[in-house]
Amino acid sequence: DAKTTQPTSMDCAEGRAANLPCNHSTISGNEYVYWYRQIHSQGPQYIIHGLKNNETNEMASLIITEDRKSSTLILPHATLRDTAVYYCIVRSYGGATNKLIFGTGTLLAVQP
Amino acid sequence: DVKVTQSSRYLVKRTGEKVFLECVQDMDHENMFWYRQDPGLGLRLIYFSYDVKMKEKGDIPEGYSVSREKKERFSLILESASTNQTSMYLCASRMYGGGSPLHFGNGTRLTVT
Repeated sequence: DAKTTQPTSMDCAEGRAANLPCNHSTISGNEYVYWYRQIHSQGPQYIIHGLKNNETNEMASLIITEDRKSSTLILPHATLRDTAVYYCIVRSYGGATNKLIFGTGTLLAVQP
Repeated sequence: DVKVTQSSRYLVKRTGEKVFLECVQDMDHENMFWYRQDPGLGLRLIYFSYDVKMKEKGDIPEGYSVSREKKERFSLILESASTNQTSMYLCASRMYGGGSPLHFGNGTRLTVT
């Protein structure tokens, strides 16, 4: 599975959009991009995933570049409760089910 | 909404005790997983199950066993708890195939003294 690179930390003002980047330059054609977040002392929470097209759900939007080498998670109106570590993961759906590697992620701090 | 429920949020056990961690999911998912999460080591897979009565070892199965008698329930057993098994334990489930994501429970923080 491809490795991902994310900034260590980011700040965002409450009410503004939070844009979290992820680089996955070695992604292959059958690998999905998944985003999770983890608030301290809780289990990881699934946010969104995609293969090629941009995706949107009630929590966030996922923008994947045309070459698929990078993506951006957008939280449209960040709140204080969105403060968490955000993980970007790439994984092939045909691959072994145990290959879900959480890197160090991005600590998003939403400021009042 | 998918719900993965772990029976305990916090557990304190003594060395040598047999420990049972229970996990239930309500979405009829075929696949279920047990991970542990430790600072600096990330999530490590202990065991997973493709379906009822099926189990596969993950990356760190030593000292653990699992049971999946019903589709919705996946139990992790520490045969004889040791202090190096003090950790956050996370259960997850997913629908089989098609890139479907993992859904995690809130975790059980186990302390072995």
